[in-house]
Amino acid sequence: GAGVSQSPSNKVTEKGKDVELRCDPISGHTALYWYRQSLGQGLEFLIYFQGNSAPDKSGLPSDRFSAERTGGSVSTLTIQRTQQEDSAVYLCASSPGMGERETQYFGPGTRLLVL
Amino acid sequence: GNSVTQMEGPVTLSEEAFLTINCTYTATGYPSLFWYVQYPGEGLQLLLKATKADDKGSNKGFEATYRKETTSFHLEKGSVQVSDSAVYFCALRMFSGGYNKLIFGAGTRLAVHP
Repeated sequence: GAGVSQSPSNKVTEKGKDVELRCDPISGHTALYWYRQSLGQGLEFLIYFQGNSAPDKSGLPSDRFSAERTGGSVSTLTIQRTQQEDSAVYLCASSPGMGERETQYFGPGTRLLVL
Repeated sequence: GNSVTQMEGPVTLSEEAFLTINCTYTATGYPSLFWYVQYPGEGLQLLLKATKADDKGSNKGFEATYRKETTSFHLEKGSVQVSDSAVYFCALRMFSGGYNKLIFGAGTRLAVHP
């Protein structure tokens, strides 16, 4: 079946512009996660959704970052007034629910370059 | 706090060599442990996992054993192939606050040459 999909796969933008990154989770998965993978760094947790609510936004690096999820499915991560340090690969993952043993399935990521 | 430390890369091996990528963790409670792999141009894929002490995860010839006494989850493969060239991430999963959070190591790049 279809996996997690993300769009765009690559995005080049100018410093100061806003960008939107999209994630389509696996159908029926209620939990959705965003991570950031910076050059030479590991993966950094950004935000978690259960359904449409985001009980944990603790990983968002600044108030320029926001995310929403509508209809319990698609999620959008928005970065306002982008900075060069925002350049990274943004990964989305989904899992079937909140169970302790749930495995997260990852999308291919969006590679963002801020010039 | 919870953290994962894995050996720095790149690791460069010849085909059919033995592979070990070290991973140690710090965690409160009893996390599940994972190895994810990221092939060039692709997303993260779950390679193997272990959910309790002394469990051994295995897949595609890779193995890792959950060692609680040494807080380790080292990845091994007896004979690597060129197609194993990728970045490998060790991760722990904590169930806290009603959901799972994955905490990743920095990743180790493996390059296998013919």
